[in-house]
Amino acid sequence: EAEVAQSPRYKITEKSQAVAFWCDPISGHATLYWYRQILGQGPELLVQFQDESVVDDSQLPKDRFSAERLKGVDSTLKIQPAELGDSAMYLCASRITGGPGEQYFGPGTRLTVT
Amino acid sequence: AQSVAQPEDQVNVAEGNPLTVKCTYSVSGNPYLFWYVQYPNRGLQFLLKYITGDNLVKGSYGFEAEFNKSQTSFHLKKPSALVSDSALYFCAVGDSNYQLIWGAGTKLIIKP
Repeated sequence: EAEVAQSPRYKITEKSQAVAFWCDPISGHATLYWYRQILGQGPELLVQFQDESVVDDSQLPKDRFSAERLKGVDSTLKIQPAELGDSAMYLCASRITGGPGEQYFGPGTRLTVT
Repeated sequence: AQSVAQPEDQVNVAEGNPLTVKCTYSVSGNPYLFWYVQYPNRGLQFLLKYITGDNLVKGSYGFEAEFNKSQTSFHLKKPSALVSDSALYFCAVGDSNYQLIWGAGTKLIIKP
């Protein structure tokens, strides 16, 4: 069964350092999402891609966060510089474009900023 | 604005008993409703969805959900709970941009 891949699974970094997360969606899924999830809470959408284009990044803190999906397949989310409040789970999800279908999630990256 | 409410932070059920996790929603237009489950340090797993059609939707791991338009509810149910069902459950509603509006989550604890 096809899955969304994410790496790394865990990342510990010091504040003010740069950190990057990678996501490879299910093959053929043109829509890709990055979420941030605080422990015990629902996911918060950071950015949505349709192919290589950003559809919605209204909740992305653009002073420190950036996201790209250059060839419309895999994607990278970057934080520079990291802050203590960025400690969270970062989830990637993908879905087939067209219609209200479900999103499929990767295992996530647990970020701890010290 | 669309919203989802999960009124219970935690639900406790004895193994073998039926379980219900509640979800209510507020949308303009037709609702697209989803249930996901999350185990510790894992991503969210899709359980089931309601788009249209039969109000009783069957999903993975023996779960089902009943869509009730008049009560704007989409409660998750299972006839006989397993200890392995213990996890965090999220209800979500899809908006016109096919983004998901998430509930706060309900922690389900199944006691042996």
